[in-house]
Amino acid sequence: DSGVTQTPKHLITATGQRVTLRCSPRSGDLSVYWYQQSLDQGLQFLIQYYNGEERAKGNILERFSAQQFPDLHSELNLSSLELGDSALYFCASSPRGPATNYGYTFGSGTRLTVV
Amino acid sequence: AQSVTQLGSHVSVSEGALVLLRCNYSSSVPPYLFWYVQYPNQGLQLLLKYTTGATLVKGINGFEAEFKKSETSFHLTKPSAHMSDAAEYFCAALGGSQGNLIFGKGTKLSVKP
Repeated sequence: DSGVTQTPKHLITATGQRVTLRCSPRSGDLSVYWYQQSLDQGLQFLIQYYNGEERAKGNILERFSAQQFPDLHSELNLSSLELGDSALYFCASSPRGPATNYGYTFGSGTRLTVV
Repeated sequence: AQSVTQLGSHVSVSEGALVLLRCNYSSSVPPYLFWYVQYPNQGLQLLLKYTTGATLVKGINGFEAEFKKSETSFHLTKPSAHMSDAAEYFCAALGGSQGNLIFGKGTKLSVKP
């Protein structure tokens, strides 16, 4: 157990729907990162939050949004889902802010299947 | 922009043989470098990292990596492969424009008995 908790582990939904993925970071970590892993694109950075504030944005679609709450857990909202959004979504956490050399601790991911 | 290239999407070795997984980074400034391992249906686990100091870095499960600035490389090695090493390995560099981890495409390691 890495200490980073992601729920749900699996999600099957229809095109056009909206889903919310949840992440609880490791105790004491202030930063949360979201990544999308697909066969063709590999691991793509989506967005980062540090202590409740958005700090960095990567290849995140406008249909996707995220936030980090005061208790530091984070949610990734995916809307108007398309077949191509099917992927593994990982959350990671680290103790500090951007450019930390600690490395990230990853959760076990949420597998999203859009049908 | 920072990028990480892993040579070989699939490497196959025999049990007991040397494991060599290649990683090159592009940066004018040496970045922080990481190797992660992903077992089937699991998240990524940190194997080792290079930040500053000694260029030969030892990690978990007998893996090590050497940072070579002149070659912009950070190859991962293990002297003797074990069946339990079969997994996908990702090289990553910290140094994107936003200070986040940039990953290579990954190398799937198979270990034959």
